[in-house]
Amino acid sequence: EIVLTQSPGTLSVSPGERATLSCRASQVFDSTYLAWFQQKPGQAPRLLIKGASIRATGIPDRFSGSASGTDFTLTISRLEPEDFAVYYCHQYGSAPWTFGQGTKVDIK
Amino acid sequence: QVQLQESGPGLVKPAETLSLTCSVSGDSVGRGGHFWTWIRQRQGQGLEWIGYIYYSRSTSYNPSLQSRVTISLDTSRNQFSLTLNSVTAADTAIYYCTWGLGDWSQGTLVTVSS
Repeated sequence: EIVLTQSPGTLSVSPGERATLSCRASQVFDSTYLAWFQQKPGQAPRLLIKGASIRATGIPDRFSGSASGTDFTLTISRLEPEDFAVYYCHQYGSAPWTFGQGTKVDIK
Repeated sequence: QVQLQESGPGLVKPAETLSLTCSVSGDSVGRGGHFWTWIRQRQGQGLEWIGYIYYSRSTSYNPSLQSRVTISLDTSRNQFSLTLNSVTAADTAIYYCTWGLGDWSQGTLVTVSS
């Protein structure tokens, strides 16, 4: 099973600042199958990024994803008020599919 | 856009069976291309993948649940279903059904309690 470890657990950022979220996999896998989700309280997760770096339909370009080996990064270039939420990475290339434990981005 | 809606009991007794159905509109569960998936989230916790079924009826399950879980497809009703046997309080969670990565149901809370 591929374990995804996200860091930090909580990231405190001011609106307008940049946020960098990390997701590290326990083993190499095809980065084509790495996604990022955003979840707000009381809502279902929303797909932001698939294939490690491909923005989903309707996702603003301030969200970007990248991959290097077993390290994956989600960057939010300039935080908007609506971006404060929990973010999960997810691998769907190797069964069992797994999620990271989440990073909460809150207002500094 | 595909729309998904779960249905099923919100309260299940310990040791009994949890059964949920996901009704699909906007696509056919019998069409290939994506996986029909169940995911759950315990209160205040992260996301847990339960398993998926493909249009061919091939399935894959989380090893931690494999002995208790079944996902099935009903093409005549355009639905797919989740069955989880011998439930305990640890199975209390919000259950989501999804189509691929981008389309999720709103989630339904299932509580296991006597």
